[in-house]
Amino acid sequence: EVQLVESGGGLVQPGGSLRLSCTASGFTFSSYEMNWVRQASGKGLEWVSYIGGSGRTIYYADSVKGRFTISRDNAKNSLYLQMNSLRAEDTAVYYCARLRFAEYDYWGQGTLVTVSS
Amino acid sequence: SSELTQDPAVSVALGQTVRITCQGDSLRNYFASWYQQKPGQAPVLVIYGKNNRPSGIPDRFSGSTSENTASLTITGAQAEDEADYYCNSRDSSGHHWVFGGGTKLTVL
Repeated sequence: EVQLVESGGGLVQPGGSLRLSCTASGFTFSSYEMNWVRQASGKGLEWVSYIGGSGRTIYYADSVKGRFTISRDNAKNSLYLQMNSLRAEDTAVYYCARLRFAEYDYWGQGTLVTVSS
Repeated sequence: SSELTQDPAVSVALGQTVRITCQGDSLRNYFASWYQQKPGQAPVLVIYGKNNRPSGIPDRFSGSTSENTASLTITGAQAEDEADYYCNSRDSSGHHWVFGGGTKLTVL
């Protein structure tokens, strides 16, 4: 059974940093591209970042470029999102999602990040 | 344009057919995928590619695309279909992904 479990969310002050993790199981992690998607309370889904299976290809949404860093450790079946210079508008539930061909076929349950003083 | 546009809300009578649409220039080059999200839950993939359903998704869900518009059709809507629905595709650059703003479906 495919499972994605996010962790690392919490309360952080504006300007602070946080590192999210997503632990995968039930599939060959290195064979899949992975993404982070976020959702502010009461708002829609927003794509945040993409990483290829080897980790060599990476893309970011303009809203987070230069502040967030996506990475993966295929030996640990884990995906990460290092978030720096956090802003109030980064407050959201962050989901990791597996990209199959052109669709997100599995999602984690999400982890809540709150940026507030 | 890198945007996908959806109607904010749509309603349908129980057992009737409803179409939810998604417009964007990128849909001329990329198929949309569709996600159902119920309150407090993660999104669930319901349609992908030309018109494919993941295992476990009822066959009342179907998808289509014409030029710059993708559609999700629910034929014989059920009470449990009440949810938010989001479309997604790569943007025109091919290096970013974009979601539509979401459509809240109410089953009357």
